[in-house]
Amino acid sequence: ETGVTQSPTHLIKTRGQQVTLRCSSQSGHNTVSWYQQALGQGPQFIFQYYREEENGRGNFPPRFSGLQFPNYSSELNVNALELDDSALYLCASSPGTSDYNEQFFGPGTRLTVL
Amino acid sequence: DQQVKQNSPSLSVQEGRISILNCDYTNSMFDYFLWYKKYPAEGPTFLISISSIKDKNEDGRFTVFLNKSAKHLSLHIVPSQPGDSAVYFCAASANYGGATNKLIFGTGTLLAVQP
Repeated sequence: ETGVTQSPTHLIKTRGQQVTLRCSSQSGHNTVSWYQQALGQGPQFIFQYYREEENGRGNFPPRFSGLQFPNYSSELNVNALELDDSALYLCASSPGTSDYNEQFFGPGTRLTVL
Repeated sequence: DQQVKQNSPSLSVQEGRISILNCDYTNSMFDYFLWYKKYPAEGPTFLISISSIKDKNEDGRFTVFLNKSAKHLSLHIVPSQPGDSAVYFCAASANYGGATNKLIFGTGTLLAVQP
């Protein structure tokens, strides 16, 4: 059974650019959540996708957007990058949206904005 | 507004002794609490959870205690092992009609278990 994978591992962008991060969910999981972890902080919820629809969003501006594909893999897109977007971006998949569905995290993508 | 707080950024414990990691929360709507462990260059790994209808849950060396009146939970690791050295995150969620299992994380506690 393959776990959650994310690509790329590291990324360096400049302010104002756009970035796309990718996540492959664990087999059988139809729900993907994205989190941003800034240095010294805990992960913060960005949004969740369930069966290709956005299913909840945290306190992030619209320039953070996402997609989920029929195979339940997902993308996180960030437009007009700002210096404060530098962080570790974590993807988590789960077999549903219930509280009791354990979320399995990928290793993350480290984004640096210069 | 930090709804989940871990006030100890770090903790150092001798191998074989008990490690106690603490977490406080402010939102009374939280009904499910989890602990995750994170090693460098890896994503968080689920460790143990507890529902708000319980006050204790045990899994091997790991026990989580929940005190709802104090809005406090703690993770006990007995006995502590050097491999337990990692960052531990406390997280909470509220089931808003089953819509989103959004996790609210604390800032983490770095546990170092000395051999």
